[in-house]
Amino acid sequence: DIQMAQSPSSLSASVGDRVTITCRASQSINNYLNWYQQKPGKAPKLLIYAASNLQSGVPSRFGGSGSGTDFTLTISNLQPEDLATYYCQQSHTFPLTFGGGTKVEIK
Amino acid sequence: QITLKESGPTLVKPTQTLTLTCTFSGFSLSASGAGVGWIRQPPGKALEWLGIIYWDDDTRYSPSLRSRVTITRDTSKSQVVVTMTNMDPVDTATYYCAHSVKMPTVRVFDYWGQGHLVTVSS
Repeated sequence: DIQMAQSPSSLSASVGDRVTITCRASQSINNYLNWYQQKPGKAPKLLIYAASNLQSGVPSRFGGSGSGTDFTLTISNLQPEDLATYYCQQSHTFPLTFGGGTKVEIK
Repeated sequence: QITLKESGPTLVKPTQTLTLTCTFSGFSLSASGAGVGWIRQPPGKALEWLGIIYWDDDTRYSPSLRSRVTITRDTSKSQVVVTMTNMDPVDTATYYCAHSVKMPTVRVFDYWGQGHLVTVSS
C-alpha cells in the first residue's frame, strides 16, 4: 500500500495568515493526489484534484502544488470558515489511501 | 445535481453482517467512467477507503477488508450496496458513499453522501 504522511497533524493560525500543509507519499504517485476539506460534523469536500487543480466553486485562496512524492496545500489569507481538517488522498494505485489529516484551528 | 445518501442500521451486534445502501441521483452508474466508492471514518480518526464499484461492474476493495466487504449495484434503483461481515466494535464509524469520476485522468470523489454512523455493540 502507498502510505500518505501529512504534516503537521494540527496547526493554529490567525485570520489572514498563510497556511501550508504537506503530504508525502511513500512512493511516486506522479500528480495523482487530491485534497479534501472536512468541516466539523460534515462530509469531506473535494478542494484540489490532480495535485494543483482547483475544484469548481472552491475559493482561489486555496492552492496545491507538487509531484512525485511531495505535495503541498496552501491556504493564503486564512478565513474563519477554513476551520476544518484537511486530507490528502492518492489515486495512483489501489488501495486508494488517505493521509492522517491536518486539523486547522483559528487563533 | 448529484446527490447521494446512505441508509441502514445504526446499531449492529458483534459478529453480525452490516448492510448499507447508497441511494443516488443526478448520474447514472451505467455511464462510462462513473463509480461509487465507500469510505469510513471512526470517531475522531482519519478517512479509510473500503472499496469502489465502476460503471462496468468492476469492483476494487481494500486488501485489509477484502474478505469481509462486498459492493454491489442495482442500476435500475440507482443504488449501491455494501455488506460487511463479522462486524466488530472497531468497525464503529461513519460510513460514506461518494461519486467517483476521472478529472481528467485522476480519479476523485467529487460528491459525498452525508454519512451514516454505525455503532457496533452488544
